[in-house]
Amino acid sequence: AQTVTQSQPEMSVQEAETVTLSCTYDTSENNYYLFWYKQPPSRQMILVIRQEAYKQQNATENRFSVNFQKAAKSFSLKISDSQLGDTAMYFCAFMKPLIQGAQKLVFGQGTRLTINP
Amino acid sequence: EADIYQTPRYLVIGTGKKITLECSQTMGHDKMYWYQQDPGMELHLIHYSYGVNSTEKGDLSSESTVSRIRTEHFPLTLESARPSHTSQYLCASSAHLAGANHEQYFGPGTRLTVT
Repeated sequence: AQTVTQSQPEMSVQEAETVTLSCTYDTSENNYYLFWYKQPPSRQMILVIRQEAYKQQNATENRFSVNFQKAAKSFSLKISDSQLGDTAMYFCAFMKPLIQGAQKLVFGQGTRLTINP
Repeated sequence: EADIYQTPRYLVIGTGKKITLECSQTMGHDKMYWYQQDPGMELHLIHYSYGVNSTEKGDLSSESTVSRIRTEHFPLTLESARPSHTSQYLCASSAHLAGANHEQYFGPGTRLTVT
């Protein structure tokens, strides 16, 4: 069974600092998708960044980048030049296929990130 | 933000009442999902649909039911609410087509409290 583990329940950094959130996962599949989602307080869950397992190059989206280590089954998120608006719950997720093209997200427990002014 | 909507956003209701949580999307996505999230915890899939007239159960056992009569609409119903149903319910949709980005778009959620 696929599992996703986030070992940091809470993190706190100062504005403009760089922070790295950890995520490990377990799967026997060779091709899959990994995601980081952000859930701000009382707001919608939004996608931060995605990684396709067959791509060796780490994904990057502006200030957000990942360190994808396929052999180690590790998928950490780095936020550079952190901003107050980055304060949110961050979830790492693994995408598992279902039937008829549907897919489900298997989520980690989340990391609550606070950016302090 | 994504074009996926949920109503109500907050609901406090007494034990034994029947409730329906609404979810609609205007993106034409054929796949829709319901996740349940306890406060500060991860999300778990409880129902999904791969198209009109299809409904399937997810991993987490749930006493709720769903229907998919129209592409854009995927309501969730609890026939008799209980305090154990207190949770946040998030709806999501995706378009799994060749070349699609596999992203699931989430609604704002319904926070349900059963007293």
